[in-house]
Amino acid sequence: AQSVTQLGSHVSVSEGALVLLRCNYSSSVPPYLFWYVQYPNQGLQLLLKYTTGATLVKGINGFEAEFKKSETSFHLTKPSAHMSDAAEYFCAVSTNRDDKIIFGKGTRLHILP
Amino acid sequence: EPEVTQTPSHQVTQMGQEVILRCVPISNHLYFYWYRQILGQKVEFLVSFYNNEISEKSEIFDDQFSVERPDGSNFTLKIRSTKLEDSAMYFCASSSTRGGETQYFGPGTRLLVL
Repeated sequence: AQSVTQLGSHVSVSEGALVLLRCNYSSSVPPYLFWYVQYPNQGLQLLLKYTTGATLVKGINGFEAEFKKSETSFHLTKPSAHMSDAAEYFCAVSTNRDDKIIFGKGTRLHILP
Repeated sequence: EPEVTQTPSHQVTQMGQEVILRCVPISNHLYFYWYRQILGQKVEFLVSFYNNEISEKSEIFDDQFSVERPDGSNFTLKIRSTKLEDSAMYFCASSSTRGGETQYFGPGTRLLVL
């Protein structure tokens, strides 16, 4: 079975600072990994995903994540935070054998002016 | 860009009433899903549907829930007798392939059971 752990339910960074949201996963088979963003009162938007190939994945809005198998991690980063990045971020895992996506509990990102 | 749509955006119902949440998946997609998110909690898988039958369901998806694709375009989630704890945001998703390839999520229906 797959699972996802997101460290930190709330993260605050200053505008212009580095964003780092941590995600560790557990999977008995090669995982597919995702980051979704949810703005207040809105649905889920895919930021980026890893399935196979290059382990550094670039997504929308300047975000990227690196799949590190040895660390079972898929941390999300952005070099310079913007006020518009304030939202809830969900790490998620699936596989090519599963129908479902398993989500982490989410990290709420606060941007300080 | 094609997108998944859901109606209604908000629904308020009395406990014990039946509700039907509707979704229009992306037109060439074959796999359909429902997830829910109780306020302040994580998104949870409910059910997946392919070839007019349920392919997987979670333990949340008990006999009070059912899904249907009545007309080849809509995909519905029915809750037969709503409980207070069914209050949540319900997301529909669809995908063109099986497995964890990208599922496209709709904007959600916020259900409030009083």
